[in-house]
Order: sequence, then structure tokens, then C-alpha cells
Amino acid sequence: AQSVTQLDSHVSVSEGTPVLLRCNYSSSYSPSLFWYVQHPNKGLQLLLKYTSAATLVKGINGFEAEFKKSETSFHLTKPSAHMSDAAEYFCVVSDHWAGGYNKLIFGAGTRLAVHP
Amino acid sequence: SAVISQKPSRDICQRGTSLTIQCQVDSQVTMMFWYRQQPGQSLTLIATANQGSEATYESGFVIDKFPISRPNLTFSTLTVSNMSPEDSSIYLCSVEAEYLYPGLEYTDTQYFGPGTRLTVL
Repeated sequence: AQSVTQLDSHVSVSEGTPVLLRCNYSSSYSPSLFWYVQHPNKGLQLLLKYTSAATLVKGINGFEAEFKKSETSFHLTKPSAHMSDAAEYFCVVSDHWAGGYNKLIFGAGTRLAVHP
Repeated sequence: SAVISQKPSRDICQRGTSLTIQCQVDSQVTMMFWYRQQPGQSLTLIATANQGSEATYESGFVIDKFPISRPNLTFSTLTVSNMSPEDSSIYLCSVEAEYLYPGLEYTDTQYFGPGTRLTVL
């Protein structure tokens, strides 16, 4: 069965410093992996998606993630944090169900705080 | 891309009553999904709704408690029945659609609605 583990429940950074949110996955085959962001009182927004086309995936708002099969990791990074990045981030793996749709399995989430 | 709206955005309900949540999409989609996000928790899939067939429920969720309708390709409802305080959660619907954003293009990606915040007293 597919699963994801987000290694940090809370991450705190200063504005302008790099962001690293860690995610490990478990999959019996080559997975699709996602990062979603949830701002307070708002819905989920997709940041990026890995589909095996390239191991380094660029997303919106300057975020990127690197797929490392040997480490079963899909960590999310951003070179310079902005105050508006403060939110909850979810690492997600897709379990392709035989019924033809992609069942999403969510990690527990990482709350990112950005300080001035 | 897809634009999803949900009604109501929030509600406060009494124990033992039922609430029906509506999900409307601006384009025709095959699959719609309903998720629950309990306070401070991650998202859990409740069921998958395919137009014209019975919804498929995940382990731990039953039709009597969470009946779902899918009358057409742009609309679905989720009812939370005989509510208790443990049902207080955010309920989100999602659809699979092509994702288009400047510089990004993905197929078969789930979009999420804004959610319905339910409080049961």
C-alpha cells in the first residue's frame, strides 16, 4: 500500500531564508507525488506534481521538489521564504486504483511559520 | 482547469440533525471525490462519486451516515446524517481535471473546493 510520511509537523524559518519540508513515501511502483498547500481558512492548492518526466520538479511561487528514488524522498524546497508562504503543506502520493482514478493519500501535514 | 464551489461555506448544527453539502463544478467531470479534514488533521477520502453509479466508500465510511448523490457531470451532494460532535470537520470535494498554470500543465490532477466547515454542538 502507498503511504507518505512528513518528517516535520512544524517548521519555522525567517523571511528570506531557505525552506525545506521533508517527505518520504512508500510505493510498490513508480508513484505520482504531489505537494499541496492550504492557507488558513482556504482550500487546497496544488504546488507541483511529479510524474517521472524529470526528477527535479518546479512548481508555483518558487517552490520545487526533487524525487529521489534511492531515498524514497520527495522534499519540497524554496530558496527564500516569504511571509505569504506561511501555511500548511501536504505531501501526497497517488494510488492508482483499478477503477481508473487516482486515489490520493495525504501525509499528516507540515505547518510552516515564517518570521520577519 | 476547474472552478469548484461548495455550499454552505460553514454551518453550525445541532446533534442528531443532518446537513447536505453541495459541490458544483464549472465543467463536466467524470469523477468527484469527497474528503473529511478533522480539526488539526490531514485529509481522509470518504468516497468517490461517479455519475450514474453508486458511490464507492472508503473503509470506515458508510452510505447510511454519508449518503452521496451525483445526478449529473457537474454536481454532487454529500449528506452528513444524524450528526454528533465527532462529525465536526471541514468537508471538501474535489475533481480530476487538467491543471493549467503559467509554466505548468498536468493531466488527471485533483482540484479541491474551498471546503465546508461544519461544527456540531
